Amino acid sequence: GAVVSQHPSRVICKSGTSVKIECRSLDFQATTMFWYRQFPKQSLMLMATSNEGSKATYEQGVEKDKFLINHASLTLSTLTVTSAHPEDSSFYICSASRVDRGAAGELFFGEGSRLTVL
Amino acid sequence: AQTVTQSQPEMSVQEAETVTLSCTYDTSESDYYLFWYKQPPSRQMILVIRQEAYKQQNATENRFSVNFQKAAKSFSLKISDSQLGDAAMYFCAYRSARYGGATNKLIFGTGTLLAVQP
Repeated sequence: GAVVSQHPSRVICKSGTSVKIECRSLDFQATTMFWYRQFPKQSLMLMATSNEGSKATYEQGVEKDKFLINHASLTLSTLTVTSAHPEDSSFYICSASRVDRGAAGELFFGEGSRLTVL
Repeated sequence: AQTVTQSQPEMSVQEAETVTLSCTYDTSESDYYLFWYKQPPSRQMILVIRQEAYKQQNATENRFSVNFQKAAKSFSLKISDSQLGDAAMYFCAYRSARYGGATNKLIFGTGTLLAVQP
């Protein structure tokens, strides 16, 4: 099956610093990757759609300058939380869509990254 | 805009019994995919079952089956012979079949927390 790897799984940082989270599709090419945020006991909220070679599309209410997304290749997308603050603490999950669409619309998810900002 | 509604925040079932989780959605599209994802305490998203809207036959995966009512925009999940390992948060999700970028995002319901009693 298609595998998406997300790193780091846990990160703790000080307020004001920046944190980068990587999302890699290990055995398939992904033209599109999606970044979600999940608060405890809540659903996944889409933050942005990352397209290889172009600018990300952000959902309404998501700060572009706070959450920088780069999709440099067909297998890697990164989310950088800039000048992190305690309210940015959350669980971040990436998912990827296959180029060949052979998976009948299925998205493949990374393991998620738990960010704690002190 | 498409929406997904799960009206049961929590459900409980006895081991070996059957439980049905409800999901309704709203869309003006005719071609789309529907999914049930499971999120155990590890928080890894696991695909349980998927349904293509153009298929009239209900999808089945071992102990998991769906009741897809396209006209009613209903997509319920039935878990038969429930096992302790089925305990998790279950999310219903919608994805447009139109291809390209943000249009292919997964739209999630609010989730149903399933407890399995021994």
